[in-house]
Amino acid sequence: EAQVTQNPRYLITVTGKKLTVTCSQNMNHEYMSWYRQDPGLGLRQIYYSMNVEVTDKGDVPEGYKVSRKEKRNFPLILESPSPNQTSLYFCASSPSRAGDYGYTFGSGTRLTVV
Amino acid sequence: GQSLEQPSEVTAVEGAIVQINCTYQTSGFYGLSWYQQHDGGAPTFLSYNALDGLEETGRFSSFLSRSDSYGYLLLQELQMKDSASYFCAVRAWNQGGKLIFGQGTELSVKP
Repeated sequence: EAQVTQNPRYLITVTGKKLTVTCSQNMNHEYMSWYRQDPGLGLRQIYYSMNVEVTDKGDVPEGYKVSRKEKRNFPLILESPSPNQTSLYFCASSPSRAGDYGYTFGSGTRLTVV
Repeated sequence: GQSLEQPSEVTAVEGAIVQINCTYQTSGFYGLSWYQQHDGGAPTFLSYNALDGLEETGRFSSFLSRSDSYGYLLLQELQMKDSASYFCAVRAWNQGGKLIFGQGTELSVKP
């Protein structure tokens, strides 16, 4: 089944404790992206990657890191999480940067930082 | 900057037709997309308009007018399961193909 897999689905952590949210897609998509979703703010892009070893900042990159060492994986790293990073996170992938192919989203990771 | 505006809430009854509008301000984009999201689940891709006009997919249709910077999603024969949030989105030419979302419209379908 074609899908984007994120882990974990739920995570509660403490301020300053490094964490990684994994994302993997099995569709050989070039384009991958991370979004956070907050009430009243919609979906905002954190980072994106157009291919292996090619990443760039989205609208809200502060406090996050990403890497794209393999085409299928695009982990999101929070080096020192803070409470304002409590949010619902989605990973997404697409065959290309053009619009005619929709994004496929993962099931989401609900992160709480206390 | 680039922005998309949608109504925050729409309510309709089962069996009816509802239109969710999206107006945008963006300098260049590949086309207008629509996504559906149920209760914090994964957004799912519904439709895409690259060119002006109407695209129909079953009960759902989507429309784009680039000259008016306007689009809409039309849902016919509404069912209770259509209660969800609907997002319009564009992929910008000059920002690495970033997908920019509207704030979302929460559709409530009543019996």
